[in-house]
Amino acid sequence: AQTVTQSQPEMSVQEAETVTLSCTYDTSENNYYLFWYKQPPSRQMILVIRQEAYKQQNATENRFSVNFQKAAKSFSLKISDSQLGDTAMYFCASLSGGGADGLTFGKGTHLIIQP
Amino acid sequence: NAGVTQTPKFQVLKTGQSMTLQCAQDMNHNSMYWYRQDPGMGLRLIYYSASEGTTDKGEVPNGYNVSRLNKREFSLRLESAAPSQTSVYFCASSGTRNQPQHFGDGTRLSIL
Repeated sequence: AQTVTQSQPEMSVQEAETVTLSCTYDTSENNYYLFWYKQPPSRQMILVIRQEAYKQQNATENRFSVNFQKAAKSFSLKISDSQLGDTAMYFCASLSGGGADGLTFGKGTHLIIQP
Repeated sequence: NAGVTQTPKFQVLKTGQSMTLQCAQDMNHNSMYWYRQDPGMGLRLIYYSASEGTTDKGEVPNGYNVSRLNKREFSLRLESAAPSQTSVYFCASSGTRNQPQHFGDGTRLSIL
């Protein structure tokens, strides 16, 4: 079974600052996938970024990037030039290579961007 | 594109009542999933369907049943609702098991 831990229940930063959200995971598999999802107050679950464990290069999507440390089982999300619209819950999630069991989610980090 | 559509968006039930939550996707995806989200928790997998005609239990299947009616539709049924099933329910789909999952907007279910 996989487990995902997000140790920061809430974070608050000023607009335009850079913020890093932490995530650690535990898996016995060599092949797996990691994701960050954003959930704004509208309740939608929006995919932010995806990382394949066999790829050493860190994934990036515009202002969003990850720091994937496979040996440490760490998968942090960096948001650059933060915007008010980034205010949301952020969930880290893992998926086994076989994908048979669906996503395993952390408990989330509530990110607040202050004007 | 509608993506993943869930109905209803809100529902209030009394303990012991039954209900079916509906989910449909128009992306020709093979895999479909049902999750529940409780306060202070991430989403937890209830059931999933890797392909049409197959279903499997997830982390928290007790008290639920599912039906993969066809490739597009995957329903979740509560036979005898209990207050512990008060939650927000999300349906999701993906093209294959390893591809990102696309989520519906959720159903907020309250059981009194």
